[in-house]
Formats: sequence, structure tokens, C-alpha cells
Amino acid sequence: EVQLVESGGGLVQPGGSLRLSCAASGFTFSSYEMNWVRQAPGKGLEWVSYISSSGSTIYYADSVKGRFTISRDNAKNSLYLQMNSLRAEDTAVYYCARGHGDYGDAFDIWGQGTMVTVSS
Amino acid sequence: QSALTQPASVSGSPGQSITISCTGTSSDVGSYNLVSWYQQHPGKAPKLMIYEVSKRPSGVSNRFSGSKSGNTASLTISGLQAEDEADYYCCSYAGSSTKVFGGGTKLTVL
Repeated sequence: EVQLVESGGGLVQPGGSLRLSCAASGFTFSSYEMNWVRQAPGKGLEWVSYISSSGSTIYYADSVKGRFTISRDNAKNSLYLQMNSLRAEDTAVYYCARGHGDYGDAFDIWGQGTMVTVSS
Repeated sequence: QSALTQPASVSGSPGQSITISCTGTSSDVGSYNLVSWYQQHPGKAPKLMIYEVSKRPSGVSNRFSGSKSGNTASLTISGLQAEDEADYYCCSYAGSSTKVFGGGTKLTVL
């Protein structure tokens, strides 16, 4: 079964750090681009970051640039998001999502999400 | 990276058709045929319904269709069913592998 499972969410104080992980299974992880998408409570979806299949190309939304770092380990079939200098407005469910080239890089597989709460 | 504009809510009766609009700019929706639509039920992860403006992934009902004109994309759901009640989000490629989502539309089946 094709699956993405996020972990690492939790409660963190403003200014703190957190590292999210996304474990992939059921497909050749190293062949796919990956993304992080977040959703604040009661709000819409927001694209956060992109990483190419090899990890050589990376992009960020302006809202997280300079604070978040996306990375991947193809040998471990895993995607990561290092989040530093966290703010209250970063509170959200964070989803990892696969970009499928056959679908114009649309997000065809999503994880169940992991909740990040930034609060003192 | 401004969000695409969607109506906050739409509604329809079972069997009817509804259309959800998604307005962007010449830098995103207007420049690329890379608009996708996602369905999200409460507490669940989003599900891909439409990609590349009008194509359906395997397994998605043909009651769902997409189109685009200029800077505005649209999702039409025909033959509304109770299970279609959900939030719907459009998403467009915005250059350099970045994406922008719409604010979301809550569909109510009356």
C-alpha cells in the first residue's frame, strides 16, 4: 500500500524548534518530488516547501523562508522538515504530500498529518 | 504568493450541479495548465480530484470535471450526492516548483 506517515509534531514554545518526519512506503520514494503543506486550525491549505527527487532543488513559501529547512534521505525513504524560530502563526497540521509527474506534479498521495502547536 | 480566490461556500440539492470558481493571476492560473482540485472531509487529509485543469485520476467519479478560462479555473460537480459534502481547494503551479492554494470552499448538500 502506498503510504506516507508523518511524525514529530507537538507543543513548542515561540522561538523554539521542531523536526518533522515523513516515512514513505509502497512506492519508489527516490523517484518522486515531495512537499510539505500545512493547515492552520479552521483554515485553508498552505503550500510550505518542495524538494526534488534527488534533493538538489528546494523551494520555500515566503512565510517560512529562512526558518524552515526541508530535506530527504532516499536510503531511509524519509522526508524531513526542520522548523526553527517558530511563531504562533506556524500552528497547524503539517502534511507531507507526493508530487506526481504524471499528474502535472499535483499532490496525489498525502499523509494523515501531524499537529504542531506553538504556544507559551 | 497570494492565495487564489474561491467562494467561501456553495450549496446544492442532491442531483443538482454546482460550480466552484478559483481566481488567480497571470502569474499562476493564467500562465499554466497546472491547476488541481482537492476534496477534504472533516478531520481527513485532502484527496486529489482533478489535475492539469480537467483530468481525473483513476478512481475519481466522472461527476467531477474541471475547466479554465484566463485567470479563473472552475470545478463542476454534477449529480450532487450527500458524500460530496466537503471542503474543496484549488491549487495552481506558480513557477519555480512553487504552488499556491485557494482559500477553500465549503460545499453543503441540502
